[in-house]
Amino acid sequence: GAVVSQHPSWVICKSGTSVKIECRSLDFQATTMFWYRQFPKQSLMLMATSNEGSKATYEQGVEKDKFLINHASLTLSTLTVTSAHPEDSSFYICSASMFGSGWKGYTFGSGTRLTVV
Amino acid sequence: GIQVEQSPPDLILQEGANSTLRCNFSDSVNNLQWFHQNPWGQLINLFYIPSGTKQNGRLSATTVATERYSLLYISSSQTTDSGVYFCASRQGGSEKLVFGKGTKLTVNP
Repeated sequence: GAVVSQHPSWVICKSGTSVKIECRSLDFQATTMFWYRQFPKQSLMLMATSNEGSKATYEQGVEKDKFLINHASLTLSTLTVTSAHPEDSSFYICSASMFGSGWKGYTFGSGTRLTVV
Repeated sequence: GIQVEQSPPDLILQEGANSTLRCNFSDSVNNLQWFHQNPWGQLINLFYIPSGTKQNGRLSATTVATERYSLLYISSSQTTDSGVYFCASRQGGSEKLVFGKGTKLTVNP
């Protein structure tokens, strides 16, 4: 149980284009989803927290207009990197959890490696 | 906010050896998790262990919440155990997960 699917696994795009990454909870309803960014050989950096049906909460220093997050349903959140530039190249990971009684932690997607050329 | 420190930062083992990874946290926590990030980037839940001891095969974990640390034990290590091990915890009543910097484990054949 508690499977999170993230798609695509990797993507190469041209500078100036936009890229959408999907994160789905397959066997549970995720009240909250999180988006992280990870640079090589570093830990995960939280970018934003999204709750179904409401605006995402971005961490300090994260450009909300560049990283658009939509949490349209309890099983789907999307991250769109708009007008991507080479410095946006990174590994992006989503996670999901169903908070409430019996909470057992977070489940992570398999990540998306974005390369902007 | 809460600080999570992991040690050692790097660990190199021969296959079959045992190891202990440590996670210290600066404030009381009640929802510590251990993850393994494999070479392809996938983060795999190992343990949700707010306190006490749990075992899963060759891996076990112990959290002593009153002393603000957690330990991950790997016995009879295999090359497939290689990767980065992270501990993380929610910060107080927040839903946010705070990660340590990880321990990079390399198991050589």
